[in-house]
Amino acid sequence: QITLKEPGPTLVKPTQTLTLTCTFSGFSFSSSSGVGVGWIRQPPGKALEWLALIYWDGDKRYSPSLKSRLTITKDTSKDQVVLTMTNMDPVDTATYYCAHGTEGYSYMDVWGKGTMVTVSS
Amino acid sequence: QSVLTQPPSVSGAPGQRVTISCTGSSSNIGAGYDVHWYQQLPGTAPKLLIYNNNNRPSGVPDRFSGSKSDTSASLAITGLQAEDEADYYCQSYDNSLSGSRVFGGGTKLTVL
Repeated sequence: QITLKEPGPTLVKPTQTLTLTCTFSGFSFSSSSGVGVGWIRQPPGKALEWLALIYWDGDKRYSPSLKSRLTITKDTSKDQVVLTMTNMDPVDTATYYCAHGTEGYSYMDVWGKGTMVTVSS
Repeated sequence: QSVLTQPPSVSGAPGQRVTISCTGSSSNIGAGYDVHWYQQLPGTAPKLLIYNNNNRPSGVPDRFSGSKSDTSASLAITGLQAEDEADYYCQSYDNSLSGSRVFGGGTKLTVL
């Protein structure tokens, strides 16, 4: 059974850098070729927004509108994916989800429960 | 402004059939890329409902179905039930956005 888990709620100040770690189980980058883990966010009362995705082989994809602020990495030994977002602003306040995907397909089939990130001074 | 366009809301009485549209362009749905649908119940994470246009993951009732044509797609729900009240999002791939996945703006389904 595939599961993904985001950290607890986070409060960051404007201009700071956000770092989120997604810890997963039920698959591994080292033994499951073709798997990917992505990040999606959802501001309160608003729509989903796709952020970034990293594949088992290290290939990365980013939202063009946020690419300059995002970095996605993986720690294969820990079954974790890390998303960093620089220069945080109150408009970045949202629930951030990590989710499982498969190379060659654009859907995300298993999602974590999400974590609330609040940007406020 | 979302790349894929959905109606903000739809409604229907229990037992009825409702459809939710998702309109894209020549760089996403119109380019032949698959469309997927997610259901988000209040206060929960999105759940994959339909993948690759018209496929249901295990456990999703056959009351839910998807279709795709030209630059648009649709989600149909038959035999509407109270527990179907949720937000629904379509998603696809866009080749003008460096391999980016794109979502619709979401549709709130109200069961009357």
